[in-house]
Amino acid sequence: KQEVTQIPAALSVPEGENLVLNCSFTDSAIYNLQWFRQDPGKGLTSLLLIQSSQREQTSGRLNASLDKSSGRSTLYIAASQPGDSATYLCAVVKSGSRLTFGEGTQLTVNP
Amino acid sequence: GAVVSQHPSRVICKSGTSVKIECRSLDFQATTMFWYRQFPKQSLMLMATSNEGSKATYEQGVEKDKFLINHASLTLSTLTVTSAHPEDSSFYICSASTNTVANYGYTFGSGTRLTVV
Repeated sequence: KQEVTQIPAALSVPEGENLVLNCSFTDSAIYNLQWFRQDPGKGLTSLLLIQSSQREQTSGRLNASLDKSSGRSTLYIAASQPGDSATYLCAVVKSGSRLTFGEGTQLTVNP
Repeated sequence: GAVVSQHPSRVICKSGTSVKIECRSLDFQATTMFWYRQFPKQSLMLMATSNEGSKATYEQGVEKDKFLINHASLTLSTLTVTSAHPEDSSFYICSASTNTVANYGYTFGSGTRLTVV
């Protein structure tokens, strides 16, 4: 059974810091990995999608990497801003099109 | 980009009544839609998977007679919470994907906050 773990569970940083969120998964036979952002009381917003054949994806200040063989992904946020405060979720897709989520990292960026 | 619209965003209903939540893919055909439930400060819990024109597949422990799912078209899936009770109060989120999930990933709706009083 696929298990997804996110570390840390919560993170508080001052504005302007670069930070890394970690995601690990137990079964490396995945189709892709997706990072999402969730604001309180809202749905999920897709940030980056990394297909199994890719090593990384970038969007603005966000960079996500994928090391399938070791079952790890990282989300790098450069020059963090208070507006980045949210819960970040990683999820993997294996067979059957099911998403398996991690428990999320709650990020607070302090002005 | 792909957009999924979910309505209503909030609903309050009396115990014993039924509530319907709609999930629409606006600019793509969603061959598969998923319904999740989320408790405070927890991650999403998959309730069921629905494919257009066929019966939904429910996760273990989810009552199919209580949570009725209909996926009548490639752009619409509905979740009906029947005979709602206060313990059904939760945040419900749908997501949708095409049959090329490896390339396009999943798009989520904005969620529905259900409060049963």
